[in-house]
Amino acid sequence: NAGVTQTPKFQVLKTGQSMTLQCAQDMNHNSMYWYRQDPGMGLRLIYYSASEGTTDKGEVPNGYNVSRLNKREFSLRLESAAPSQTSVYFCASSEFSQETQYFGPGTRLLVL
Amino acid sequence: EDQVTQSPEALRLQEGESSSLNCSYTVSGLRGLFWYRQDPGKGPEFLFTLYSAGEEKEKERLKATLTKKESFLHITAPKPEDSATYLCAVQTYISNQFYFGTGTSLTVIP
Repeated sequence: NAGVTQTPKFQVLKTGQSMTLQCAQDMNHNSMYWYRQDPGMGLRLIYYSASEGTTDKGEVPNGYNVSRLNKREFSLRLESAAPSQTSVYFCASSEFSQETQYFGPGTRLLVL
Repeated sequence: EDQVTQSPEALRLQEGESSSLNCSYTVSGLRGLFWYRQDPGKGPEFLFTLYSAGEEKEKERLKATLTKKESFLHITAPKPEDSATYLCAVQTYISNQFYFGTGTSLTVIP
């Protein structure tokens, strides 16, 4: 039981490049989330998926898109990366949308 | 506006020196308050959930309490392995979202 897994662990992009961050959970959870963590800002919600087939914007959705591929997988896409998107990205999941969230190990993204 | 504030930002303790971390919140309709531990370079690890004022939860040297305006994470006789950043988050009845504080960085010196 791996919990929440994220790939890649670390990525360097040039401004304007695109990439997709992958997240998978093996806990049979219904809800999944993407956060970013910046120094002094705390964790901020980018997008979430309350259940398979649904996605909703969080606090900071601009510049990102998401896909809930199936119950296990939730991906985050940066279409045209900007230096302001340099951050650590965490995926989380919960059994239902108002339950305790469990986090993955994070993806460290540097945009030059 | 919903807000979550943690204090202090950083705390250094000698091994065995007990102390408390604070999480104060101003939200409409608190559904739950969550404590997480985060080690450097890792994701947050769930510790406790508190739902109502007066509720307490314990795990080893940690004890979390909740009032109508704030939560405390009490650390009794800490050890160096308790060094980490402790995050609190609140969830409201209105929203599915968690609102996180910026954390308290705890260092326990042997």
